[in-house]
Amino acid sequence: KAGVTQTPRYLIKTRGQQVTLSCSPISGHRSVSWYQQTPGQGLQFLFEYFSETQRNKGNFPGRFSGRQFSNSRSEMNVSTLELGDSALYLCASSLTSGGITDTQYFGPGTRLTVL
Amino acid sequence: AQKVTQAQTEISVVEKEDVTLDCVYETRDTTYYLFWYKQPPSGELVFLIRRNSFDEQNEISGRYSWNFQKSTSSFNFTITASQVVDSAVYFCALSEAKYGNKLVFGAGTILRVKS
Repeated sequence: KAGVTQTPRYLIKTRGQQVTLSCSPISGHRSVSWYQQTPGQGLQFLFEYFSETQRNKGNFPGRFSGRQFSNSRSEMNVSTLELGDSALYLCASSLTSGGITDTQYFGPGTRLTVL
Repeated sequence: AQKVTQAQTEISVVEKEDVTLDCVYETRDTTYYLFWYKQPPSGELVFLIRRNSFDEQNEISGRYSWNFQKSTSSFNFTITASQVVDSAVYFCALSEAKYGNKLVFGAGTILRVKS
């Protein structure tokens, strides 16, 4: 089975712009979660989508949003980029949401640099 | 509140030494899951193990072993006969069943194995 894929792998934007990141989960997985990784804050949960519905949301401003499509692919959008948004954005997929045997498998990440 | 503490920021060992990575967690929930992930320099988080709160059996997988103790809220990870390829950042994480797949990560432990 193919793993979790994320596009693009690298992105450079300037302050004030917006960006859309894409994530394709492992085939058959219906849950997609997004995480932000920075040197200062570590790995932080952004949100989780399951069957096209946002199930959980982390403590991030409204500039961060996401959605999930009927094929379980997910996108996250960051509007009005700030320098502090520079980070590695990781996507993870799992079969269900919080199930007893659920395990999240991560993609390679998208490295976003905001200038 | 959910919290994961990895007190060891960085550990350096010489090849073939055994090394233990500590993880202490906090949760008020009775149903929760604990994970270890490895992050090599490439950036992708690699799943190592998952443990359910009601399963305190220790586990061994090759050179890796995990010690789960609910009495001390700890889930420690031991690598026996370490190898240079074990060099990476290791993360311990916690999820509570009621929050779906939301993972709360520790700060990570950088493991450097020297030849």
